[in-house]
Amino acid sequence: NAGVTQTPKFQVLKTGQSMTLQCAQDMNHEYMSWYRQDPGMGLRLIHYSVGAGITDQGEVPNGYNVSRSTTEDFPLRLLSAAPSQTSVYFCASNGGSLNTEAFFGQGTRLTVV
Amino acid sequence: AQSVTQLDSQVPVFEEAPVELRCNYSSSVSVYLFWYVQYPNQGLQLLLKYLSGSTLVKGINGFEAEFNKSQTSFHLRKPSVHISDTAEYFCAALSSNTGKLIFGQGTTLQVKP
Repeated sequence: NAGVTQTPKFQVLKTGQSMTLQCAQDMNHEYMSWYRQDPGMGLRLIHYSVGAGITDQGEVPNGYNVSRSTTEDFPLRLLSAAPSQTSVYFCASNGGSLNTEAFFGQGTRLTVV
Repeated sequence: AQSVTQLDSQVPVFEEAPVELRCNYSSSVSVYLFWYVQYPNQGLQLLLKYLSGSTLVKGINGFEAEFNKSQTSFHLRKPSVHISDTAEYFCAALSSNTGKLIFGQGTTLQVKP
């Protein structure tokens, strides 16, 4: 019972490089979200999706892209990494109004140098 | 707009003392409310949730929270804390119409012997 799986767990990028953080869930959840966690700022919502083919911006979307081609996967793309994107990233999923508990991945620690 | 405010960034307390972690929310629509705990270098774990019904909800590890609609609060309490409760605690609100899950800034609970 995998739940929410994030890869990689750690990543170091150089400024200007691009990469994709992967997130997959096996619970058939409609809703998926990406957050970044920074000291003293809690978890801030980057992008979220309420179903395949539907995405929307959260609180801090700049510099990040997402797509939702399947129910299971919700990748987060950094097109041109910046030091300000150094953070811990969490992916979450929940089943919508009838099953509202969110399940989280273990996080990806990203450092941009 | 939907927002969550945790009023204390750090709460130091001695072992076996009671503790209250404060959370206020604002939303123009119905929300579901949650408390999550994060132990060092780990992901988030659900402590408890309020969806509807009784305003006093009980969670894991002896924690409970009370939903107060008139004060828009959802404070977390524990009558007697243990060293193992040292962690960061996050209050969160899920909008019933958008599916957005928004977090507060977090409260670090430091339990001292």
